Amino acid sequence: GENVEQHPSTLSVQEGDSAVIKCTYSDSASNYFPWYKQELGKRPQLIIDIRSNVGEKKDQRIAVTLNKTAKHFSLHITETQPEDSAVYFCAASKRNTPLVFGKGTRLSVIA
Amino acid sequence: GAVVSQHPSRVICKSGTSVKIECRSLDFQATTMFWYRQFPKKSLMLMATSNEGSKATYEQGVEKDKFLINHASLTLSTLTVTSAHPEDSSFYICSARLVNEKLFFGSGTQLSVL
Repeated sequence: GENVEQHPSTLSVQEGDSAVIKCTYSDSASNYFPWYKQELGKRPQLIIDIRSNVGEKKDQRIAVTLNKTAKHFSLHITETQPEDSAVYFCAASKRNTPLVFGKGTRLSVIA
Repeated sequence: GAVVSQHPSRVICKSGTSVKIECRSLDFQATTMFWYRQFPKKSLMLMATSNEGSKATYEQGVEKDKFLINHASLTLSTLTVTSAHPEDSSFYICSARLVNEKLFFGSGTQLSVL
C-alpha cells in the first residue's frame, strides 16, 4: 500500500521567512495530494491540494509543488506569520482509496 | 468548503460502557466517510471506511466488533465504541469525501474512559 514520509517533524522559522515541508510517497499510481493544517485541539483544515496532472499550484502565500518522477511533493509558505503556527499534514491517495497521511510537521513561527 | 458535523465533542465515560459518536455531512451527500483516531501529537490513523448501505471496511488491527460503524444514510455515519476501556481513550475524528476527492473533517470527539 501507499506510504507517505514527511520531513521535517518540527520546523521553526522567524516571522516573515519562508517555510518548506517535504513529503515523499511510494505508490506511483497516487494522483491526489492534499495538505492539511491542524491547530491544537481543532480539526484538520484543507489548505491546498494538487493533482498529478499539475506540477505546481499557488494560493496567496501558499504553494505546492509535485515531482511525479521523484514521487515527492512540497508545501511552501512565504512571508510566514504567527498564525501559520500549527501542525501540517501531507497526504496522498489514488482514486476511490483512503488518504494516507504523513506524520505531520509542527511549524512554529517566531515573532 | 463542505461542512462536516461531529458530536459529541467530548465524552467521559466509565470503563465497560459504550459510546456512540455521530458524523454528519451537512451540505452534501457522502457515500463514503472515514473514521480516524489521533493520539496526542501524532498523525491521523485510519480506522475504517464507512460506506453508505454496506458494511464498513476496517484497517488491519482495528477490531470491528469493538468499533461498530453504521452508515445508514448519505449524510450520517456513526461510530460506537463498545465496552470502552481506558486504552480506547483518544481523539476520534470523522471525515467525508466529495466527488472531487476533497476530504473534510468533523470537529473530533475526545473520548476519556475512566
